[in-house]
Amino acid sequence: NAGVTQTPKFQVLKTGQSMTLQCAQDMNHEYMSWYRQDPGMGLRLIHYSVGAGITDQGEVPNGYNVSRSTTEDFPLRLLSAAPSQTSVYFCASSYARGRGEQFFGPGTRLTVL
Amino acid sequence: GDSVTQMEGPVTLSEEAFLTINCTYTATGYPSLFWYVQYPGEGLQLLLKATKADDKGSNKGFEATYRKETTSFHLEKGSVQVSDSAVYFCALTLITGGGNKLTFGTGTQLKVEL
Repeated sequence: NAGVTQTPKFQVLKTGQSMTLQCAQDMNHEYMSWYRQDPGMGLRLIHYSVGAGITDQGEVPNGYNVSRSTTEDFPLRLLSAAPSQTSVYFCASSYARGRGEQFFGPGTRLTVL
Repeated sequence: GDSVTQMEGPVTLSEEAFLTINCTYTATGYPSLFWYVQYPGEGLQLLLKATKADDKGSNKGFEATYRKETTSFHLEKGSVQVSDSAVYFCALTLITGGGNKLTFGTGTQLKVEL
């Protein structure tokens, strides 16, 4: 099992550019989510999904889009990158029911100039 | 809303010292509580968890007890090692229609020196 994988590991964008951060899991988890990590702020939830075709907003959704066409994949799209989106992005997955462990990917470090 | 408050870091200790990282929470229901650890350059890993009051989670010498009366989940270890240097996050989750969402504290960086 590869667990949760994320690509790319690092990315530099210019303001206004768009890009997609990829996330995939091979554990058949229903629940997937995206967090951003900023110094002194912990991790904040951007978007989440409880199954294929179902997504919802988290705490800081503005400027980001998601879709969930398969159980395995949950890409995060930045439509028009801004310097405020410079952050480390983590994808996580878990079983939707119960209160079990969430499994995190290794992260994508994004810099927007 | 739900929230988690952790002591600020960095915390610097000598090897074999006793560690306590304080964590308190506010939640509208009965959350499950977690400690996650992030080693340099890596993602988060679950360290331990507790799902109901008075439960004690433990792993790798770390312990934390779910105290409902004080809404706390303090992390402790009797003798830290250099390899424990990392950032530690306290978190909670509540069962809702929206699935398994985690609310994190801001993280506490631990540095252990020889």
